[in-house]
Amino acid sequence: KAGVTQTPRYLIKTRGQQVTLSCSPISGHRSVSWYQQTPGQGLQFLFEYFSETQRNKGNFPGRFSGRQFSNSRSEMNVSTLELGDSALYLCASSLEVSYNEQFFGPGTRLTVL
Amino acid sequence: QQPVQSPQAVILREGEDAVINCSSSKALYSVHWYRQKHGEAPVFLMILLKGGEQKGHEKISASFNEKKQQSSLYLTASQLSYSGTYFCGTEANTGNQFYFGTGTSLTVIP
Repeated sequence: KAGVTQTPRYLIKTRGQQVTLSCSPISGHRSVSWYQQTPGQGLQFLFEYFSETQRNKGNFPGRFSGRQFSNSRSEMNVSTLELGDSALYLCASSLEVSYNEQFFGPGTRLTVL
Repeated sequence: QQPVQSPQAVILREGEDAVINCSSSKALYSVHWYRQKHGEAPVFLMILLKGGEQKGHEKISASFNEKKQQSSLYLTASQLSYSGTYFCGTEANTGNQFYFGTGTSLTVIP
């Protein structure tokens, strides 16, 4: 069974630009969650999607948004990038709505210059 | 709302035991434990649901005291492969956000 895949793996952007990150969950998994990981703040919850609906959202500004498609693939978008958005963005998939065992992808390393 | 873990870091010799604690200010529905090795994604270890259930996974086990909103991860007879950063994750009784703890860096040396 293929694992969670994320594309791209690395990204360099400049302040003010926008970026879209993609996540393909494990086949059959309907829940996708996104996390931001930085050395200072650790792992922080961004949002969770289930069956194309955003179920929960973390404490991030509206510049961070996401969506989920009918095949459970998910994208997250960050508009008007700031230097502080530089981080590793991880997505995780799980079978059901509740936070069951989450399988993490390798992450997308975003650097904002 | 981020759970607090203690200790922040610990160094063990192979074969020694360790306990990592996770404490939340919220009433919890579940506690999860993950391990992340350097440069890799977090890997699931176990889930504990409210009810004080203790779970085990090889030589790694955990307990959950829902009254105190605390969980502890027990690593016995540590192996070199146990090195990494351990995170607890919590889901509160109210609301469905998932919060990861502050992390505990564990290093096992020969």
